[in-house]
Amino acid sequence: EDQVTQSPEALRLQEGESSSLNCSYTVSGLRGLFWYRQDPGKGPEFLFTLYSAGEEKEKERLKATLTKKESFLHITAPKPEDSATYLCAVWGSFGNEKLTFGTGTRLTIIP
Amino acid sequence: NAGVTQTPKFQVLKTGQSMTLQCAQDMNHNSMYWYRQDPGMGLRLIYYSASEGTTDKGEVPNGYNVSRLNKREFSLRLESAAPSQTSVYFCASAERWDQPQHFGDGTRLSIL
Repeated sequence: EDQVTQSPEALRLQEGESSSLNCSYTVSGLRGLFWYRQDPGKGPEFLFTLYSAGEEKEKERLKATLTKKESFLHITAPKPEDSATYLCAVWGSFGNEKLTFGTGTRLTIIP
Repeated sequence: NAGVTQTPKFQVLKTGQSMTLQCAQDMNHNSMYWYRQDPGMGLRLIYYSASEGTTDKGEVPNGYNVSRLNKREFSLRLESAAPSQTSVYFCASAERWDQPQHFGDGTRLSIL
């Protein structure tokens, strides 16, 4: 069974203080890893897809990286509007069409 | 550009009542999904429809039924609501089953 563990559960940073969020996964065959952002009272918003170890994707202050066991979401010089819950999901196990989601990291950026 | 639209946004039911959650997408996507999100748990797939005319069970299908009415619409029905079904329900769609999913803003359902 595919498993996803995200850490930390919650993270508070000062504005401009860079950090990383972790997504560790266990799958029988990774076919893709997705990062989403979720604001309170809203649905998840797609950020990135990573398909193979060594791949990196960037968008504004966010950079996602992937290894064979985990993914990191690096946040550089964050702003208060980056405050949200960040979700990781994996698509693995050949023949299984569903995504397995982690429970998320709740990020708060303090002005 | 509405994306994925869910109705209603909020609902309170009594145990044993039935209701249907509606979902419509305007992106011409082939695949559609229903999830539930509970505190401390990741999003869990209830049912999905890889393409028009097909539906399949996800991780937690018990107590639910779905209908893929057409390419745009995918509804979720609770036949006899139970307190354990209190949750936030999200509908999502994707161009294909192997593409990123796009989510609606959810239906917050409380069952007393």
